[in-house]
Amino acid sequence: KQEVTQIPAALSVPEGENLVLNCSFTDSAIYNLQWFRQDPGKGLTSLLLIQSSQREQTSGRLNASLDKSSGRSTLYIAASQPGDSATYLCAVFGTNNLFFGTGTRLTVIP
Amino acid sequence: DTAVSQTPKYLVTQMGNDKSIKCEQNLGHDTMYWYKQDSKKFLKIMFSYNNKELIINETVPNRFSPKSPDKAHLNLHINSLELGDSAVYFCASSQDIGTGVIYGYTFGSGTRLTVV
Repeated sequence: KQEVTQIPAALSVPEGENLVLNCSFTDSAIYNLQWFRQDPGKGLTSLLLIQSSQREQTSGRLNASLDKSSGRSTLYIAASQPGDSATYLCAVFGTNNLFFGTGTRLTVIP
Repeated sequence: DTAVSQTPKYLVTQMGNDKSIKCEQNLGHDTMYWYKQDSKKFLKIMFSYNNKELIINETVPNRFSPKSPDKAHLNLHINSLELGDSAVYFCASSQDIGTGVIYGYTFGSGTRLTVV
């Protein structure tokens, strides 16, 4: 069964720093991987979607990479801002199911 | 216009009651889902519907039943509510092509259910 792990569970950085969030999964037979953002008490906002045939996707200050063979994905956030504070979830789509990681709670300190 | 909308946003009810949460998507997606987010913020799938057919049913109590009147709606009915049902429930949809989900998922904003 697919297991998705995110490290670290929580991260605090000063404003302006670049940072990397990590996601690892046990079964490399995935169709795609998606990064979400969840603000406290709110729903999920999709950030980036990487197909299994792709290596990375970029949107603004965000860059997500995917290495299927090693079962890893990273989300790189450049020049972090206080508004980036949220919980970041990665999710992998395997056989008929979407498996979520436990999330990384990011706090960007002004 | 909201792509995936859930109602209500908040629901407080007593143990033993029966309640429903509605979900509608205007994206023309083929598959809709219900997820439960527990107190540890872990998201777990409950149901998915593809063209009115239940294709995934995780080990959830049979007090929970999905109802899909059409492709754009997937409602969640809960009977005999228990304290442990308190959680945030998310509806989602996806456009499936072939054997995999190509375009990713779109989530609703969630329904916070509190059973007292």
